Amino acid sequence: QVQLVQSGAEVKKPGSSVKVSCKASGGSFRGYHITWVRQAPGQGLEWMGGVVPVFGTPLYAQEFQDKVTISADESTAYMELHSLRPEDTAVYFCARENTRVGGSGSLDYWGQGTLVTVS
Amino acid sequence: DIVMTQSPDSLAVSLGERATINCKSSQSILYSSNNKNYLAWYQQKPGQPPKVLIYWASTRESGVPDRFSGSGSGTNFTLTISSLQAEDMAVYYCQQYFATTRTFGQGTKVEIK
Repeated sequence: QVQLVQSGAEVKKPGSSVKVSCKASGGSFRGYHITWVRQAPGQGLEWMGGVVPVFGTPLYAQEFQDKVTISADESTAYMELHSLRPEDTAVYFCARENTRVGGSGSLDYWGQGTLVTVS
Repeated sequence: DIVMTQSPDSLAVSLGERATINCKSSQSILYSSNNKNYLAWYQQKPGQPPKVLIYWASTRESGVPDRFSGSGSGTNFTLTISSLQAEDMAVYYCQQYFATTRTFGQGTKVEIK
């Protein structure tokens, strides 16, 4: 049973960067896409971007294009947010997209979420 | 980007009654070569990550109660909870995975009347 375990909560100053990790426990990311999703306080889900681990080029939502760097090896994914502003305060989730042949295509496993506070 | 619009934003339903949530995409998310709609539905309870309920618009994820069903094709989709239970209080999101940049609907909050 795959579990995605994210790094702990962070408090950052405006203008700094933060790097959040997402480790696959009980499996690997091989053959799957890894996605990052943002949820601001009291708000909905925003797809930030995703990557195919090891070989893939990251793909970003337009509004996160110059804001985030996503990378992944076979067992750990990373999401780095740059030039932090108070409005980047949010919970950040990683999720596995089941893109294997015959898979659901959906985000079938999620990390527990990492709260990033910019203040 | 494909815009996903859900309606309503919130609804209150009595226990045992039907809840219906709609999701409309700004362009078709039906892939003609495999006749699949690239749409998923998620349930999110407070303090928890989302959980997938439905994928390919109408396929229930393993372990999801059969009171949850998905329907629709092309640009119009529906999530139905046939008999609302107390544990179904949550926010529900649709998501398209047709385009390389995925997008979510804004969410629909389901409450008990």
